[in-house]
Amino acid sequence: AQKITQTQPGMFVQEKEAVTLDCTYDTSDQSYGLFWYKQPSSGEMIFLIYQGSYDEQNATEGRYSLNFQKARKSANLVISASQLGDSAMYFCAMREGHNNNDMRFGAGTRLTVKP
Amino acid sequence: KAGVTQTPRYLIKTRGQQVTLSCSPISGHRSVSWYQQTPGQGLQFLFEYFSETQRNKGNFPGRFSGRQFSNSRSEMNVSTLELGDSALYLCASSFGTGGFADTQYFGPGTRLTVL
Repeated sequence: AQKITQTQPGMFVQEKEAVTLDCTYDTSDQSYGLFWYKQPSSGEMIFLIYQGSYDEQNATEGRYSLNFQKARKSANLVISASQLGDSAMYFCAMREGHNNNDMRFGAGTRLTVKP
Repeated sequence: KAGVTQTPRYLIKTRGQQVTLSCSPISGHRSVSWYQQTPGQGLQFLFEYFSETQRNKGNFPGRFSGRQFSNSRSEMNVSTLELGDSALYLCASSFGTGGFADTQYFGPGTRLTVL
């Protein structure tokens, strides 16, 4: 069974600094996708970034980048130049490659950006 | 392009009642997934519908059911409500390719309170 682990329940970062949110996963599939979502206090889950298991380069989307280390089975999210609006819950998720598999989520990390 | 919409946004029900939640996916998306989010259990997968058929199902009792219409809109129903059903119910849509890169986009959620 697949499993997503986010070991940091809460993180603090100073405004304008970079922060790394950890995510490790467990799967026996060779084909899988990794996702990060942001959930502000309003409740809506916002898709941030995607990394496929066969992608050789780390994914980037604006201030978000994914540090993908396949051998270590880790997919850490890096947020550069943190802003106050980045304060939210962040969830790592994975979908395995066999057909019609559902997406599984980690427990989340609550990020607080300090002014 | 309009995002995923969910109605209603808030609901208060009493134990024993039933409730129906609605989700309209992004135009062109054929898959709709439902999740339950609680502080204690985190995000838990309920079920996924694709082309009006349930494609995947999580580990929830039969009181939780759903359906999908020909326009891809989906409803989920919870019968005989229990206090533990109080949660944020999130709907997510995707193209429904079934592959590992099939990104889900979430709605704002319906917050259900059972008294």
